[in-house]
Amino acid sequence: GAVVSQHPSRVICKSGTSVKIECRSLDFQATTMFWYRQFPKQSLMLMATSNEGSKATYEQGVEKDKFLINHASLTLSTLTVTSAHPEDSSFYICSALTGTSPNNEQFFGPGTRLTVL
Amino acid sequence: GNSVTQMEGPVTLSEEAFLTINCTYTATGYPSLFWYVQYPGEGLQLLLKATKADDKGSNKGFEATYRKETTSFHLEKGSVQVSDSAVYFCALNDYKLSFGAGTTVTVRA
Repeated sequence: GAVVSQHPSRVICKSGTSVKIECRSLDFQATTMFWYRQFPKQSLMLMATSNEGSKATYEQGVEKDKFLINHASLTLSTLTVTSAHPEDSSFYICSALTGTSPNNEQFFGPGTRLTVL
Repeated sequence: GNSVTQMEGPVTLSEEAFLTINCTYTATGYPSLFWYVQYPGEGLQLLLKATKADDKGSNKGFEATYRKETTSFHLEKGSVQVSDSAVYFCALNDYKLSFGAGTTVTVRA
């Protein structure tokens, strides 16, 4: 099946720094990618929809200036957590969309564990 | 709006026991329904899906049937193994995915 990678898998940073997380579709092109956030023992929360060549669409309550998304190519989307603070510590998961509705499917990356000290 | 409600865990079972995880949904229209599995420290993997009413999704011994009349998509497996220990998420797709809260399943040898 389709493979999605994320880099890094884990990152620890100091409060106030910015962190970039990459999401790549390795064997297919994806015009649409999604970014999710998962808190411990909780479900995934959709943060934003990333569309290649255009601005991301953010879900209600997600600060677009805090979580910068760039989808510069059909195989790469990046999420930058700017001026990170401890409350941004979380598990961030991306997915890439393949196919066409109603048979489209999201393939998920392995996730990135962010810890802000 | 769309939402998914699934059985709260955690669920602890012995090997070869029968597993059921209940999932019900609320949606406008006719969404596709999914079960995803998340193993410790990993991202989500699609376990099975159903795209229309009465469809049965199956994979790795797991099954779920899309029941429009009861708006349900319960996950079942007849004989679980230790390797089935994971968190299971029910989800619906009506343009974007909406996930249930997840059910942690632990299978003891």
